[in-house]
Amino acid sequence: SQTIHQWPATLVQPVGSPLSLECTVEGTSNPNLYWYRQAAGRGLQLLFYSVGIGQISSEVPQNLSASRPQDRQFILSSKKLLLSDSGFYLCAWNPRDMNTEAFFGQGTRLTVV
Amino acid sequence: GESVGLHLPTLSVQEGDNSIINCAYSNSASDYFIWYKQESGKGPQFIIDIRSNMDKRQGQRVTVLLNKTVKHLSLQIAATQPGDSAVYFCAENFSGGYNKLIFGAGTRLAVHP
Repeated sequence: SQTIHQWPATLVQPVGSPLSLECTVEGTSNPNLYWYRQAAGRGLQLLFYSVGIGQISSEVPQNLSASRPQDRQFILSSKKLLLSDSGFYLCAWNPRDMNTEAFFGQGTRLTVV
Repeated sequence: GESVGLHLPTLSVQEGDNSIINCAYSNSASDYFIWYKQESGKGPQFIIDIRSNMDKRQGQRVTVLLNKTVKHLSLQIAATQPGDSAVYFCAENFSGGYNKLIFGAGTRLAVHP
């Protein structure tokens, strides 16, 4: 069966520090991968999605970047965090070329102080 | 489009009553729709989906209705239980695109005994 792993679960980082959140998927190949951000009490904002290794589409201008160095690995990064980067970050995947639901990781709660 | 900047509206219901959660989607070309349930601090969980060739689909205690004319989606929960308390999101997808899910603003469901 397919599983998605996202870590860390919580993170407190100072302003100006770098960020690296990792997401991996098991049990499938060639997935579409997504990073969403959710501010407290708000909806889900799509940040990045990827249809293959090295292929990243950015949905909104921001202080973050994403990379997909391997087929089932998706990384969210920042060189210098801002206070506004605080939020709940969710990684998700769904099968390539199939119109199906996305499966979410458990999320990372990032607090920038 | 995405309403991520809005605070979530809240629907309060009595235990045992039926709940109806509504969603307006943005893209008239979207052909696949999903309802997710998100409990506090967790990633969204799939509830039910519907494709654009249908206008109604039923699951266990849940029914999704799709009105393509007005781009409206609803989730009906029968005999609402305390465990149904969560935030509910609709999501839309267009199969002719990159299979990326765009989420609605979400609704918080509060079930009172």
